[in-house]
Amino acid sequence: DAGVIQSPRHEVTEMGQEVTLRCKPISGHNSLFWYRQTMMRGLELLIYFNNNVPIDDSGMPEDRFSAKMPNASFSTLKIQPSEPRDSAVYFCASSLAVAGETQYFGPGTRLLVL
Amino acid sequence: GNSVTQMEGPVTLSEEAFLTINCTYTATGYPSLFWYVQYPGEGLQLLLKATKADDKGSNKGFEATYRKETTSFHLEKGSVQVSDSAVYFCALVTGGFKTIFGAGTRLFVKA
Repeated sequence: DAGVIQSPRHEVTEMGQEVTLRCKPISGHNSLFWYRQTMMRGLELLIYFNNNVPIDDSGMPEDRFSAKMPNASFSTLKIQPSEPRDSAVYFCASSLAVAGETQYFGPGTRLLVL
Repeated sequence: GNSVTQMEGPVTLSEEAFLTINCTYTATGYPSLFWYVQYPGEGLQLLLKATKADDKGSNKGFEATYRKETTSFHLEKGSVQVSDSAVYFCALVTGGFKTIFGAGTRLFVKA
């Protein structure tokens, strides 16, 4: 079975450019999570969706970040404009919306903003 | 609020040594508890979990017991291998869909 799929795996861009990260969750999962991981701040939850609806976006750092989930099999995280401090690994994870259920993580997108 | 506290790393051990990584939690209700592992360059993956008090989760020689009286879920392995070098995250889920992760503990195992 395919796991969580993220693209691109690596992204290098210049400050001020728009960046779009993509995620395809595991089929049948109805919760989707976006995380950011850095050495300084560790693993941070940015936003999560249940049945395509954003439930908690309190972790989104600022208005430059936005996330959408237009259907059950696709989500995007967009940064516009990007800044060097956005450099991090961004993970998408999915799970069944059942209490105590495991999250399944994608391989991550390594973003470098110059 | 809900939180997870795990021992700071890095932890450096020789191959075949005994491993303990401490994890304690604060939560309302009855959380499910997890250990996730992250190998270099990869996403997190579930190592083991326990859903109620006194349950023991186990996988790949790792074990952790859900201790409600001490609000702990310590990770143990009797004999570590070089291939166990990774970052280990303790986590909990209570009520809704959100997982609360600890800060992670990096383990280095020397041959």
